[in-house]
Parts: sequence; structure tokens; C-alpha cells
Amino acid sequence: ETGVTQSPTHLIKTRGQQVTLRCSSQSGHNTVSWYQQALGQGPQFIFQYYREEENGRGNFPPRFSGLQFPNYSSELNVNALELDDSALYLCASRRPDGSYNEQFFGPGTRLTVL
Amino acid sequence: QKEVEQNSGPLSVPEGAIASLNCTYSDRGSQSFFWYRQYSGKSPELIMSIYSNGDKEDGRFTAQLNKASQYVSLLIRDSQPSDSATYLCAVNMRNNDMRFGAGTRLTVKP
Repeated sequence: ETGVTQSPTHLIKTRGQQVTLRCSSQSGHNTVSWYQQALGQGPQFIFQYYREEENGRGNFPPRFSGLQFPNYSSELNVNALELDDSALYLCASRRPDGSYNEQFFGPGTRLTVL
Repeated sequence: QKEVEQNSGPLSVPEGAIASLNCTYSDRGSQSFFWYRQYSGKSPELIMSIYSNGDKEDGRFTAQLNKASQYVSLLIRDSQPSDSATYLCAVNMRNNDMRFGAGTRLTVKP
């Protein structure tokens, strides 16, 4: 157990809908990153939040957006869902001192888009 | 060239043997390197981190880094069936972007 929690565990949506996924970081961790992991692939970096601001983004379109709250929890929002958005969405948190970017993952949210 | 490349496997070793997992990366400026273990249906679990050239040992695991060759490896000694999982190599890029390889599936046969 890493102390990082995510909700919901599973989610089924239809194409064109919008979804919000939530993450609570490990106690004392102020940096949260989101990843998308398709079946059989490694996680793909979506973006990172630090002090409530996005401070790094991977190659994902603007319909992927996020928020970080004062308690360091975070949300990932995906608009206009596409079939290819079906994946495991992972949240990872990191300590303030950086610790060379050691990140600890939550259990993930399995999103299915029909 | 992919930013982080791993042999996709599957890699099969007998119980008690040494499993060797390899990874290469493209960004010479990368400074932090990680190995994660991912069981089927679960999220990745950090097992090793390495930042300096050479070897780093933790129990049955040894990570090796060669920045000149842009190469990272993970050795698992005395492999156990419980080590059967997908092993992900991760490299921290310069824009806070952690890049992962596709993973190597390891099977340890009793």
C-alpha cells in the first residue's frame, strides 16, 4: 500500500461523454502526476501538478485537463470521450524534497468507453 | 528510436536462477532511473531507483546504470515464482515527464 488512493475503481462511459477521476496523494506528497496505461503498454505521462498548477504535460490533447486542490488531491477530467480513451488511469504522488522523482502509484481507475 | 526501450519478452527462468532485465534510453540528459514491478491487474510498484553509474543492490535486486551507454538493467537473484510479473523501466526526462518502457513480462517456473 502506497497511501495513494483513487476513485472510482472502475467506470463505464459512452463515446462523447465526460469523466472525472479523483486521486488523493500520499500524506506529505505535494506533487501529483497522471498516467494512461493501455493494455500491454507502459504508462504514458499525461501531466503533473505541483502547488495547484500544471508544471509538465505529455502528448495529450487539451480535452485532458486536471486540477490540484490545496490538500494536494487531484482530479483528471476527460471531455468528449473516444473509444481509444479506454485504459487504466494511474495517479502517482511524490515527496516535496523530490527524492530524485521517486513516484508512488495509486491502484488506478479502469475506464471503459463504449 | 523510442525514448525508453525494453525487451518485451516474455522472459522465462527457472526458480532459483538469475533473471536479467534490460533497458535503453535516448535522452542523455536523464538523471533518474527506476524499475517498477506490475502484477496483472494491479498498478506499478516501485522496486528500485538508481541515479549514479554503477550497481545498486537491495536484497535480491541489483540495478545497474551505465550513462555513457544509456543502459539500465535489473538483476533478480534467486528468482521466485512470486517474482512473475511485468517489469517496467522508467526514466525521468527534463520536463518532469517520466517515460516508461513497454515492460518485460517475466515468468519464474517452479
